[in-house]
Amino acid sequence: EVVLTQSPGTLSLSPGERATLSCRASQSVDSSYLTWYQQKPGQAPRLLMYGASSRATGVPDRFSGSGSETDFTLTISRLEPEDFAVYYCQHYGSSLTFGPGTTLDFK
Amino acid sequence: QITLKESGPTLVKPTQTLTLTCTFSGFSLSTRQVGVGWFRQPPGKALEWLALIYWDDDKRYIPSLKSRLTITKDTSKNQVVLTMTNMDPLDTATYFCAHTDLAMAGTGFQYWGQGTLVTVSS
Repeated sequence: EVVLTQSPGTLSLSPGERATLSCRASQSVDSSYLTWYQQKPGQAPRLLMYGASSRATGVPDRFSGSGSETDFTLTISRLEPEDFAVYYCQHYGSSLTFGPGTTLDFK
Repeated sequence: QITLKESGPTLVKPTQTLTLTCTFSGFSLSTRQVGVGWFRQPPGKALEWLALIYWDDDKRYIPSLKSRLTITKDTSKNQVVLTMTNMDPLDTATYFCAHTDLAMAGTGFQYWGQGTLVTVSS
């Protein structure tokens, strides 16, 4: 089973700034199976990126994903107020696993 | 328009069996490459995947809970049912079901239900 770790645990930024969120896998994985979600309090997760770098339908292009093997990154180029949320990476393999999440909050 | 909705008890007693139903519309679980998964999230904690069933009845389970979980589908009713036996207070969580289509969003889950909070307490 692939274990995912995310850093930082909390990222405090201001609107307009750039956010860089990291997801690290315990072993090399196929980037096709790496996914990112956004979740706001009281809501279901929202699919942001699949295949590490493909934006899901309706996701603004300020969101981008990259990475390979064990290191993956979600970048939000210029933060909007609605981007402050918790972000999870997920791997699909023999089991589906989530990282512990990164909380993006207001500075 | 794809929608999913979870239903089931909000309170169960320890050792009881939980049965949750995901009723969906806007897609068919007989369509190739489509699946429905179940997830949970304890209050204030991270997401956890539980089970997944595909159009061809392929079923996957989280290894740590496999002995307690059963996922089934009723294509004619557009429903997926998850049962979890021997419930424990640590199973208190919001339970979500979600849709995946390997042809649309790879292995991502694009559409989610609103979630249902299940509390395990005597």
